[in-house]
Amino acid sequence: DIQMTQSPSSLSASVGDRVTITCRASESISSYLNWYQQKAGKAPKLLIYAASSLQSEVPSRFSGSGSGTDFTLTISSLQPEDLATYYCQQTYRIWTFGQGTKVQIK
Amino acid sequence: EVQLVESGGGMVQPGGSLRVSCAASGFTFSNYWMTWVRQAPGKGLEWVANIRQDGSQKHYVDSVKGRFTISRDNAKYSLYLQMNSLRAEDTAVYYCATSEQSSSWSSQHWGQGTLVTVSS
Repeated sequence: DIQMTQSPSSLSASVGDRVTITCRASESISSYLNWYQQKAGKAPKLLIYAASSLQSEVPSRFSGSGSGTDFTLTISSLQPEDLATYYCQQTYRIWTFGQGTKVQIK
Repeated sequence: EVQLVESGGGMVQPGGSLRVSCAASGFTFSNYWMTWVRQAPGKGLEWVANIRQDGSQKHYVDSVKGRFTISRDNAKYSLYLQMNSLRAEDTAVYYCATSEQSSSWSSQHWGQGTLVTVSS
């Protein structure tokens, strides 16, 4: 199975900060990489698909990049409502999620 | 408005069976692959299974192969997950979601989830 490793597992940043979360695949997955945001007690929400395509109605401060094995989710200016856990997901073969990155606001 | 509503969760003893359902509305159900994802209490997301639009292809995570069966009834706009030989580690919130091949198999629409607890 393809393993997805996210880092860091948690972070704390101030409002307005630039935040970067990375996701590494154990083998090449081309651009079959999606990012989700999950707020406490809620279902996940799709942010980015195909590594870098912004889902409709998602704020433009969210962006994704990468291909092959290394991917990045960037929040350009952290907002209070971005408090959540973020997951990457590979859909190249037998889909798997990363372990999640919990984002907290200082 | 797209809606996915899961039901059928509850408490079951180890070794028991349960079927969870997902009722879809607001979109053409038969046009979409459908997916089950679960989340154990306090843990991350785990993809469980998916099914092609016509039910001709099904895929499962290794840990549920031979125990879980995904199915759908397009006429009833419904998705199902039959879970047999349940184990404590199957305890989780089970979400149904759409999956779109055109967008890297991403899941745009999700239900609210239904909790399955396996305990004696």
